[in-house]
Amino acid sequence: AQSVTQPDIHITVSEGASLELRCNYSYGATPYLFWYVQSPGQGLQLLLKYFSGDTLVQGIKGFEAEFKRSQSSFNLRKPSVHWSDAAEYFCAVGEGAGNNRKLIWGLGTSLAVNP
Amino acid sequence: DTGVSQDPRHKITKRGQNVTFRCDPISEHNRLYWYRQTLGQGPEFLTYFQNEAQLEKSRLLSDRFSAERPKGSFSTLEIQRTEQGDSAMYLCASSPDSSTPGVLTFGAGSRLTVL
Repeated sequence: AQSVTQPDIHITVSEGASLELRCNYSYGATPYLFWYVQSPGQGLQLLLKYFSGDTLVQGIKGFEAEFKRSQSSFNLRKPSVHWSDAAEYFCAVGEGAGNNRKLIWGLGTSLAVNP
Repeated sequence: DTGVSQDPRHKITKRGQNVTFRCDPISEHNRLYWYRQTLGQGPEFLTYFQNEAQLEKSRLLSDRFSAERPKGSFSTLEIQRTEQGDSAMYLCASSPDSSTPGVLTFGAGSRLTVL
């Protein structure tokens, strides 16, 4: 069965430091991969996605992620974290075929940012 | 475009009561999804509509759960005879046919507490 693993439940970084959030997936075919962010009281927001092409994808808010098929990973990175980045981050893989793909989600990584 | 709206935002009910949640997607979006999220977990897929047709329903959705999208616009999710295990955040998301599968716009969610 398809699955997504986010090994880090909680991460704390200092403002201005770099960030890497890990995501590993299990999926038989070419995966559609996503990172969403969830801030308190707000809906999940798409940060970036990968489904083909360049394995390094750029997203909103200065985030990027790299798809590594050999490692079944899709890690999220940001070179310099801002206090407003504190939130819950979810990695997801799109399961299914064609236009009907439901998302299989990881458990999330909670990011805290120290001033 | 006011985004995806969900109502109510919070619902507290006693075990055994029925509850109904409403989702108003972005007007031009013909795909609509319901997910459930419990504390410390990622969202879990519940069901998916393409216009008014319910195309997929998760095994997680017991017979006490029913969702409708009668005119292909707003959707309702009803839970009958609620149980404490139903306590969760119920998330609605929508997307247009033209978007990459898995690229969703989420509402802020409806939080259900069953006493």
